[in-house]
Amino acid sequence: EVQLVESGGGLVRPGGSLRLSCAASGFTFSSYNMNWVRRAPGKGLEWVSSISSSGYTHYGDSVKGRFTISRDNLKNSLYLQMESLRADDTAVYYCARAEFATGGFHFWGQGTLVNVSS
Amino acid sequence: SYEVTQPPSMSVSPGQTARIACSGDALANQFAYWYQQRPGQAPVLLIYKDTERSSGIPERFSGSSSGTVATLTISGVQAEDEADYYCQSTDTRGSWVFGGGTKLAVL
Repeated sequence: EVQLVESGGGLVRPGGSLRLSCAASGFTFSSYNMNWVRRAPGKGLEWVSSISSSGYTHYGDSVKGRFTISRDNLKNSLYLQMESLRADDTAVYYCARAEFATGGFHFWGQGTLVNVSS
Repeated sequence: SYEVTQPPSMSVSPGQTARIACSGDALANQFAYWYQQRPGQAPVLLIYKDTERSSGIPERFSGSSSGTVATLTISGVQAEDEADYYCQSTDTRGSWVFGGGTKLAVL
């Protein structure tokens, strides 16, 4: 069974940093492109970042230069290092597995809440 | 930056058909994907590649696409279908983009 479990969320002050993790199991993690998606309170889904199976990274305009996505295939884990956090980064952050053949995100974690507030 | 647009809300009565449209220039050349998200839950993929139903999704959910508009159709809406629905596509740079979401109320 495919499982994605996020962790690392919490309360952080504006300008601070936080590192999110996503533990993957039930599939060959190294073979899949992975993504971070967030949903701010009262807002819709926003794609944040992706990393290919070979390590190529891509970012949404709102986080480019502040967030860094990475992966450790030996630990079956996905990460999101978030710097210079702002109030509008407050959201539930989800990791999601992308399907190469079909496209789209077929599997999602349950999310971890990041609250940026003074 | 590229955008896809969908209505913010709509309401239907149980048993009726709901059609949620998603528009964007890139949809003429890129596939659309549809997700359902209920409060407090993670999104669920309903439709991929415009028309293909994801595993385990009821047949009342279907997708179509024509030109720059993709449409999610829910036939015989049930109370449990009350949720937020999002379309998704990609831009020319390979970035994923979500529509703003449509809140479906079943009255």
